[in-house]
Amino acid sequence: QSALTQPASVSGSPGQSITISCTGTSSDVGAYNYVSWYQQHPGKAPKLMIYDVTNRPSGVLNRFSGSKSGNTASLTISGLQAEDEADYYCSSFTSSNTWVFGGGTKLTVL
Amino acid sequence: EVQVLESGGGLVQPGWSLRLSCAASGFTFSNFAMTWVRQAPGKGLEWVSAISIHVDRTYYADSVKGRFTISRDNSKSTLYLQMYSLRAEDTALYYCAKCGSNGCHGVDYWGQGTLVTVSS
Repeated sequence: QSALTQPASVSGSPGQSITISCTGTSSDVGAYNYVSWYQQHPGKAPKLMIYDVTNRPSGVLNRFSGSKSGNTASLTISGLQAEDEADYYCSSFTSSNTWVFGGGTKLTVL
Repeated sequence: EVQVLESGGGLVQPGWSLRLSCAASGFTFSNFAMTWVRQAPGKGLEWVSAISIHVDRTYYADSVKGRFTISRDNSKSTLYLQMYSLRAEDTALYYCAKCGSNGCHGVDYWGQGTLVTVSS
């Protein structure tokens, strides 16, 4: 159950787009369309942003989108805003009937 | 309004046991899988355990398998995590969370967490 691999940090200016990658294996990300993404602001509980690779829960803005290719999933945030600054985590179901998170990516809005 | 409220955290010594509880409201508890996720101080999220709507289907991370037991009481809309043989590395904020309509592939409501500290 090794953690999925995410970049430690990404940054962008307001209005720009950024993409956060999440690399797993053929036993997790590559095997299922069960990748989800969570946003966590400091001192707060995580918030679901994307589930099943591409789906947005009700209330999540369409500036947030997800995709997957092979063993790597991605979260793209377009029209970057100051309030998007947070930590982002990916998660995937695995062939062991467990779930695994990525190490997290700190997004800085310059 | 969907709410999940954890309790039971505290300071314990290595090797001790602790039981966490999570009271749920605002949704039909028996219709949804539930999960525990933890976060060590200053670290990332770590999935711990999950339980289906059927109480006999439980899932555990390797790091806690054999030491932690997840359970639920649908009549009380309450989720539990019984933790045995606690170690220093179990120190974390433990989140109780509701899984979505497609199972725990999207965890849609989270509590604020209860802090477990394992130290002598």
